[in-house]
Amino acid sequence: GENVEQHPSTLSVQEGDSAVIKCTYSDSASNYFPWYKQELGKGPQLIIDIRSNVGEKKDQRIAVTLNKTAKHFSLHITETQPEDSAVYFCAANPSNTGNQFYFGTGTSLTVIP
Amino acid sequence: NAGVTQTPKFRVLKTGQSMTLLCAQDMNHEYMYWYRQDPGMGLRLIHYSVGEGTTAKGEVPDGYNVSRLKKQNFLLGLESAAPSQTSVYFCASSFPLGTSRGGELFFGEGSRLTVL
Repeated sequence: GENVEQHPSTLSVQEGDSAVIKCTYSDSASNYFPWYKQELGKGPQLIIDIRSNVGEKKDQRIAVTLNKTAKHFSLHITETQPEDSAVYFCAANPSNTGNQFYFGTGTSLTVIP
Repeated sequence: NAGVTQTPKFRVLKTGQSMTLLCAQDMNHEYMYWYRQDPGMGLRLIHYSVGEGTTAKGEVPDGYNVSRLKKQNFLLGLESAAPSQTSVYFCASSFPLGTSRGGELFFGEGSRLTVL
């Protein structure tokens, strides 16, 4: 099955700086890559996603890049704010598994005011 | 609009006891899922369902059973709880990935289960 690795496991940045979280995947059949944000005591929420036919997608301060050849994708958060502090998960969906998603192990981001 | 609701939110069991977690969604989603979340291991799929009356195994199905008798409900059962099943359980629902609204998983707030 698919194997998704995520780094780093923890990340601290100063408010206003950028944060980058990286994921790699193993199954070349994966073609959909969402990112979820989980705040303390809550379920994960989708913040951005990318499909394999594009290399980059932006939504205000958040962007995701995808390199299919290298099988890695990254989340970029610019101008970080304290409310960005949360655990972030990447995931991959192999096209031959229907709606099965394989998640990374998570990155705990702390934005220091 | 409640979204995805899980009950109970907390439960403590003794080894060997049984219990059922209930998930209900009001978004008319075809797909429903049960995940477990453990420190350092992310979210792992236990079982999922692509429609009423259907279920399928995920990555870590052993020790769990599920049922989807109604489209809006997905039940997760533990027949004989073990300490290794201590975890936070999340239910999620979605439209099929290939549809215009498909792909995004909508999660409940989680159910924390402790097995002593």
